[in-house]
Amino acid sequence: SQKIEQNSEALNIQEGKTATLTCNYTNYSPAYLQWYRQDPGRGPVFLLLIRENEKEKRKERLKVTFDTTLKQSLFHITASQPADSATYLCALVGTDKLIFGTGTRLQVFP
Amino acid sequence: DAEITQSPRHKITETGRQVTLACHQTWNHNNMFWYRQDLGHGLRLIHYSYGVHDTNKGEVSDGYSVSRSNTEDLPLTLESAASSQTSVYFCASSETAGFDYGYTFGSGTRLTVV
Repeated sequence: SQKIEQNSEALNIQEGKTATLTCNYTNYSPAYLQWYRQDPGRGPVFLLLIRENEKEKRKERLKVTFDTTLKQSLFHITASQPADSATYLCALVGTDKLIFGTGTRLQVFP
Repeated sequence: DAEITQSPRHKITETGRQVTLACHQTWNHNNMFWYRQDLGHGLRLIHYSYGVHDTNKGEVSDGYSVSRSNTEDLPLTLESAASSQTSVYFCASSETAGFDYGYTFGSGTRLTVV
């Protein structure tokens, strides 16, 4: 069956460190993979998109990698700050629609 | 500034009642979507529309309906509310029919069916 897996356990890191979140998928061959941020009580906010022919995409302190062989995307936040604390969702393109993972909660401590 | 708004933010209704959740966007996006978000399930697609008078079923469409009479609005109707429909509902819109742009989400409606 088709699955998107994100670590359901919260990731706790110290301010200034690099946070790395993982998105694994099975039985999909997505052309695109997207990452969103969601704060409590709010809707997801689009952060980055990476295409299947791109290995890496950067935006300010954010970096996303996409390995279609491993069927995995990694999302990195460098020099993390308490304001980065949120839930991060990955989403990939299924047959004709966007499929979301359940998200990983990131907590950055001062 | 363009925005996407959902109303109400919170709603409590009784089993069996018809409920309509509103979604209004001023982005002039053709594509609009309704998702529900539940613990352990992530965001699941209910219905979507690629333009006026176009509607399509998502993976969890049973018990829900939508209509699209203009570009700005995609109301979601629960025909006969059930406790299993207690959830947080998000509306989203996107610029293209493809997936090379991110979706813009509303702030959500928390619906409780008692």
